[in-house]
Amino acid sequence: AQSVTQLGSHVSVSEGALVLLRCNYSSSVPPYLFWYVQYPNQGLQLLLKYTSAATLVKGINGFEAEFKKSETSFHLTKPSAHMSDAAEYFCAVSRGNTGKLIFGQGTTLQVKP
Amino acid sequence: DAGVIQSPRHEVTEMGQEVTLRCKPISGHNSLFWYRQTMMRGLELLIYFNNNVPIDDSGMPEDRFSAKMPNASFSTLKIQPSEPRDSAVYFCASSYDPGTGNTIYFGEGSWLTVV
Repeated sequence: AQSVTQLGSHVSVSEGALVLLRCNYSSSVPPYLFWYVQYPNQGLQLLLKYTSAATLVKGINGFEAEFKKSETSFHLTKPSAHMSDAAEYFCAVSRGNTGKLIFGQGTTLQVKP
Repeated sequence: DAGVIQSPRHEVTEMGQEVTLRCKPISGHNSLFWYRQTMMRGLELLIYFNNNVPIDDSGMPEDRFSAKMPNASFSTLKIQPSEPRDSAVYFCASSYDPGTGNTIYFGEGSWLTVV
């Protein structure tokens, strides 16, 4: 069975600092991996995804993530945090015919001025 | 382009009442998902439709919940009778052939409060 673990339910960084949100997955087959962002009172928006092409994936708003099979990880990074990045971030895995997403518990990113 | 459209955005209802949530997927998409988000359980998949047919409803919590997709452009999630523990945000999402890694697009959610 597939699963996702996001390490750290809350992450706090200063504006301009590096953002690192951790995600580890479990999958018996090569997975598809996704990062979604949820701003307060809104739906989920795709940041980026890995679908077995390049292992370093660039997304919107300056975010990127690297698929590391040996570590079963798909950590999300951004070199310099902006106040507008404050939101909840979800890592998700899918594979199989349905493509249904299995989500991690989410990480709330706080950006301090 | 219009995204996934859900209604109502917010609903407050009394315990025991019937609740119907509605979803219009993105045109051309052949897969539709209903998810529920709560603080305790996070994001849970309730049911998945492919080409209007329910494929996997293993996440539907109990018989009080039912979902239909009468055509490619409309789906409903019904709770009858509603209970306070059903209070959550319900998301509808759609995609074209998500099994190939295509993006799944989410609506803005229906925020349900059962008192």
